[in-house]
Amino acid sequence: GESVGLHLPTLSVQEGDNSIINCAYSNSASDYFIWYKQESGKGPQFIIDIRSNMDKRQGQRVTVLLNKTVKHLSLQIAATQPGDSAVYFCAETRTGRRALTFGSGTRLQVQP
Amino acid sequence: NAGVTQTPKFRILKIGQSMTLQCTQDMNHNYMYWYRQDPGMGLKLIYYSVGAGITDKGEVPNGYNVSRSTTEDFPLRLELAAPSQTSVYFCASSSERLVSGNTIYFGEGSWLTVV
Repeated sequence: GESVGLHLPTLSVQEGDNSIINCAYSNSASDYFIWYKQESGKGPQFIIDIRSNMDKRQGQRVTVLLNKTVKHLSLQIAATQPGDSAVYFCAETRTGRRALTFGSGTRLQVQP
Repeated sequence: NAGVTQTPKFRILKIGQSMTLQCTQDMNHNYMYWYRQDPGMGLKLIYYSVGAGITDKGEVPNGYNVSRSTTEDFPLRLELAAPSQTSVYFCASSSERLVSGNTIYFGEGSWLTVV
């Protein structure tokens, strides 16, 4: 069956360091991936997305890398700030589907 | 802009009671979704709708019902509440099929506890 999972449930980093959050998926038909940030008591917020015809996409302080060979994607956050503390989810879908499948999330803790 | 509005934000139910979680959006989106999020877990799709009068099951539909009589509203009904339905419920909407992440808007969530 299909699944989207994360390697680490909690990631603790020092303020100013770079953070890397990983996500594995099992369905080779997945062709669109999204990273969400969820702060305590709030709904998920879109961060960045990537399609399967790309290996890398950059946003403001964030980069998503997609490795289709090993079905893995990562979210890199540069110069992590206290405001980045949250739970981060990857989600996937594929052409023809009408909804997202979410991973279980990684909690990012930024230490001052 | 109101976006996606969910009510109530918090609710405690007794086993066997029924209730409706309300969701409304003011963006004229065709697609609407209900997800549930259990503690420490990702979101799981309960039901979705691609337009007024059309609904379909997601991954975990058992114990829930939905209706979509208007474009704006997508209520989620729990008929016989069970402890397993203790969760946070998120409503979301999008203007099109989910191929562009930044067009998906989530509500702030409804915390439901069944005791």
